[in-house]
Amino acid sequence: DADVTQTPRNRITKTGKRIMLECSQTKGHDRMYWYRQDPGLGLRLIYYSFDVKDINKGEISDGYSVSRQAQAKFSLSLESAIPNQTALYFCALGQTSTDTQYFGPGTRLTVL
Amino acid sequence: GQQLNQSPQSMFIQEGEDVSMNCTSSSIFNTWLWYKQDPGEGPVLLIALYKAGELTSNGRLTAQFGITRKDSFLNISASIPSDVGIYFCAGNNAGGTSYGKLTFGQGTILTVHP
Repeated sequence: DADVTQTPRNRITKTGKRIMLECSQTKGHDRMYWYRQDPGLGLRLIYYSFDVKDINKGEISDGYSVSRQAQAKFSLSLESAIPNQTALYFCALGQTSTDTQYFGPGTRLTVL
Repeated sequence: GQQLNQSPQSMFIQEGEDVSMNCTSSSIFNTWLWYKQDPGEGPVLLIALYKAGELTSNGRLTAQFGITRKDSFLNISASIPSDVGIYFCAGNNAGGTSYGKLTFGQGTILTVHP
């Protein structure tokens, strides 16, 4: 079984719809992150959480919200999707003792 | 905020050639990481560097943490077709508002011709 699972893997939606992307892990790591990837821009941090009661904005949080339902689950929501939110979205895990992060397989989101 | 400049943006090489790419920063970093991303997949950690001057190998890959703590390079020796992908550097200065967060370079797209 994969250590990090992201659902759905692909999603096409329309402008104005509410979308939720889910991430779950079996590694027991305390830190979880959401990134988006656009061609030529690398990975940019949307939100991150160091434990269940800790939620922090990243560099591009506008238009997004998150929920850390449990240590193993971290969801990203787009309240009202817009076309420029079309991108690859990655969940990542980390631990307090190290800076290394482990990435999930990604969700490809298209907003029409 | 912190920025990482990764170069080159893309490389087209013949199988068997050596490859070198690097990242530079305007800030001092305490950690440098190198990731590889295959098409349709998430980035996979290749090498992690934690100390200035550190030189670490992982098979045909070698990475170094620059002595100034503002740069890092990754070398791939004797490239093979499965080396194709996007390579990302990432860094963390582990202090202030950047604690626990990584900054990523823009990526180097590697194409290997058989």
